[in-house]
Amino acid sequence: DAKTTQPPSMDCAEGRAANLPCNHSTISGNEYVYWYRQIHSQGPQYIIHGLKNNETNEMASLIITEDRKSSTLILPHATLRDTAVYYCIVRGFNTNAGKSTFGDGTTLTVKP
Amino acid sequence: GAGVSQSPSNKVTEKGKDVELRCDPISGHTALYWYRQSLGQGLEFLIYFQGNSAPDKSGLPSDRFSAERTGGSVSTLTIQRTQQEDSAVYLCASSFREGTYEQYFGPGTRLTVT
Repeated sequence: DAKTTQPPSMDCAEGRAANLPCNHSTISGNEYVYWYRQIHSQGPQYIIHGLKNNETNEMASLIITEDRKSSTLILPHATLRDTAVYYCIVRGFNTNAGKSTFGDGTTLTVKP
Repeated sequence: GAGVSQSPSNKVTEKGKDVELRCDPISGHTALYWYRQSLGQGLEFLIYFQGNSAPDKSGLPSDRFSAERTGGSVSTLTIQRTQQEDSAVYLCASSFREGTYEQYFGPGTRLTVT
């Protein structure tokens, strides 16, 4: 699976949009981009995933560049409860799907 | 519906003792994963079960670690002769199938080896 690179930390003001970047320059054609988050002392929580089209659900939007080498997770109106570590991973249809490495992620701090 | 559950939530054990950690995946999910997370670190893959296939044990750090999944549902992670470096949060996740399906995580078991 392709490796991902994320900034170690970001701050965001409450009520503003949080834009979390992820680089995955070695992504292959059949690999999806996944985002999870982990709030302190809890298990990771699935947020969203996509292949090449932009995706939106009730939690967030995912913008994937045309060359698919990077993506941005957007939390449109961040709240204090969105403070968490956000992980970007890539996974493909293969039997090693369980090995997807979560890396160190981005620690997002939403401030009042 | 019910999510992934793990037990116990906390376990304190003495060095050298064996421990068993349990995971109940979401009903109908055929894929089950074990990870561990040391304090302030990312997730480390341990083992992966998919249906009746042989598990992928490539992430297990030593032969003191083993896992089984009975009846394609509940899984038990066993650590023999625990060491202090085994102290971590052990997370279990399940997904509908292998491949690109999203994983749903349990709350984890915090293991402390004294």
